[in-house]
Amino acid sequence: EVQLLESGGGLVQPGGSLRLSCAASGFTFSSSAMSWVRQAPGKGLEWVSGISVGGGGTYYADSVKGRFTISRDTSKNTLYLQLNSLRAGDTALYYCAKDRDCTSASCQYFDWLGQFDNWGQGTLVTVSS
Amino acid sequence: QSALTQPASVSGSPGQSITISCTGTSTDVGSYDLVSWYQQHPGKAPKLLIFDVTKRPSAVSNRFSGSKSGSTASLTISRLQAEDEADYYCCSYAGTRAIFGGGTKVTVL
Repeated sequence: EVQLLESGGGLVQPGGSLRLSCAASGFTFSSSAMSWVRQAPGKGLEWVSGISVGGGGTYYADSVKGRFTISRDTSKNTLYLQLNSLRAGDTALYYCAKDRDCTSASCQYFDWLGQFDNWGQGTLVTVSS
Repeated sequence: QSALTQPASVSGSPGQSITISCTGTSTDVGSYDLVSWYQQHPGKAPKLLIFDVTKRPSAVSNRFSGSKSGSTASLTISRLQAEDEADYYCCSYAGTRAIFGGGTKVTVL
């Protein structure tokens, strides 16, 4: 069974930093692209950042580019998101999401698919003074 | 980076069919057959319903189906049930990013 367990959220002041972690189990972590998706209170889903299977490709929403950094440690089966220069607008529940695996010829040339077949329960980040 | 456009709400009676649209552009929905749909119940994590525009994970009911025409994707829920009342989101791959729709609240009357 795939499990994704996020941690690291909390209350931080504007301008502060946090590092979120996502411990993965139940699948071959090194063979899956991963993403972070956030949801502000009462709002919709917003894709934040993604990382390709090998980690060579990292992708960011314009709203966080230059402030957030995604990374992965395959030896620990863990995905990370470093959040710097936090703003009130970054307040949200942050989900870790596993990209679905490519199982057909139609997707073999993509290093990530932006389609999420497993999600964690989220970790809450609150940016407030 | 604008969100994909979905209707804010759709409603239907039990047993009916409803369709949720998801409109993007030629750089996202119109360019790739990598549209996915998610169901989210209150307080829960999203659940994948449809991937690759039309495909369904094995555990998802065949009452859910997807399609695409040009830059607009659609999710149809057939034989509507009370348990289908939830928020629904589309998402499109767009090369170096993924874009979600604003979400549609489905109400079962």
